Amino acid sequence: GENVEQHPSTLSVQEGDSAVIKCTYSDSASNYFPWYKQELGKGPQLIIDIRSNVGEKKDQRIAVTLNKTAKHFSLHITETQPEDSAVYFCAASRVRTSYGKLTFGQGTILTVHP
Amino acid sequence: GAVVSQHPSWVICKSGTSVKIECRSLDFQATTMFWYRQFPKQSLMLMATSNEGSKATYEQGVEKDKFLINHASLTLSTLTVTSAHPEDSSFYICSARDERVSGPQHFGDGTRLSIL
Repeated sequence: GENVEQHPSTLSVQEGDSAVIKCTYSDSASNYFPWYKQELGKGPQLIIDIRSNVGEKKDQRIAVTLNKTAKHFSLHITETQPEDSAVYFCAASRVRTSYGKLTFGQGTILTVHP
Repeated sequence: GAVVSQHPSWVICKSGTSVKIECRSLDFQATTMFWYRQFPKQSLMLMATSNEGSKATYEQGVEKDKFLINHASLTLSTLTVTSAHPEDSSFYICSARDERVSGPQHFGDGTRLSIL
């Protein structure tokens, strides 16, 4: 089955700096890669996703890049703000098989210091 | 946007009690819903895939008689933790996907279950 490795496990940055979180996956058939933000006591919230036919996607301060050959994808947050502090999870799946079952990375605790 | 509602958000009950958690997709139909369990400071662990009108598919190591799943309609799936014990205490989260558009999974806000 799929295995997703996520690094780093914790990340501390100053407000205004950029933050980068990296994930690698093992199943070359995976074709959908979402990123979720989870705040304390809440469920994960989708912040951005990318499909395997695209190398990069951007939404305001958030961007995701995908390298299919190397089987890794990254989340980039620019101009970080204290409200970006949360746990971030990457995930991978095959969209049209296994009901789109997601395999999650271990999570990254991001802390943005004012 | 898509919303998934989970209820209750917090349950405290005595050992031996059965607890039912509801997961509803509010603005789309979900043939498939997913149930996860999350321990503190850990990732989400998929417990089972809930399919409308058929039996759920459980992940390896998850006791199907312990965690009963019913997906009776296109907008509602329920997870019942039967004869709960303290080791069942955890954060349970559901998700649903709008398959008509091959959409992403959207998650509920979870249920904090504490068994005394």
